[in-house]
Amino acid sequence: DARVTQTPRHKVTEMGQEVTMRCQPILGHNTVFWYRQTMMQGLELLAYFRNRAPLDDSGMPKDRFSAEMPDATLATLKIQPSEPRDSAVYFCASNLGVGELFFGEGSRLTVL
Amino acid sequence: KNEVEQSPQNLTAQEGEFITINCSYSVGISALHWLQQHPGGGIVSLFMLSSGKKKHGRLIATINIQEKHSSLHITASHPRDSAVYICAVRNNLNYGGATNKLIFGTGTLLAVQP
Repeated sequence: DARVTQTPRHKVTEMGQEVTMRCQPILGHNTVFWYRQTMMQGLELLAYFRNRAPLDDSGMPKDRFSAEMPDATLATLKIQPSEPRDSAVYFCASNLGVGELFFGEGSRLTVL
Repeated sequence: KNEVEQSPQNLTAQEGEFITINCSYSVGISALHWLQQHPGGGIVSLFMLSSGKKKHGRLIATINIQEKHSSLHITASHPRDSAVYICAVRNNLNYGGATNKLIFGTGTLLAVQP
């Protein structure tokens, strides 16, 4: 059963620490998205990649966030240094072309 | 005004009732998605549609491109349908290209009571 896999599922860290979230998209999907969900803002697009190339990261705070796809089976989202306002659920999603979108279970981040 | 508006924001129904959630949008789109999120859970794509109607089990999604409106219907609702339902549209770019970026509605919180 193909699915998007995210790790960690939960992360609690202290302000100033580096946080790395990982995503394994569905095999064969060529587009990967990172979304952030908060109660106040709902779902926001942070960045997305097509064929491993970043297409849009305009939603991402550039000073502390970075997103990469080292290979077709791994996407990473890094926050350094983390701040309490980064506390949210981070979702990875993937699709093929402009087809149906498949979401991971999310990584719940709490920054104290 | 949000580009994607959902109504109602909250909905409580009795088990067995027919439920309708509405989504209106103000931008040109290439597709519309209906997503489901259970409390504390992940997000599941229910439908992706660009015209007409789609049905999956007890769920039906319709879209009227001219009216810029979509509805999600749940027949014979069940407590396990309790979740947040999110409408999201894929925006057409001004120069006619398709984009993968989604614009999300704020969601409809559905509670189905036994």
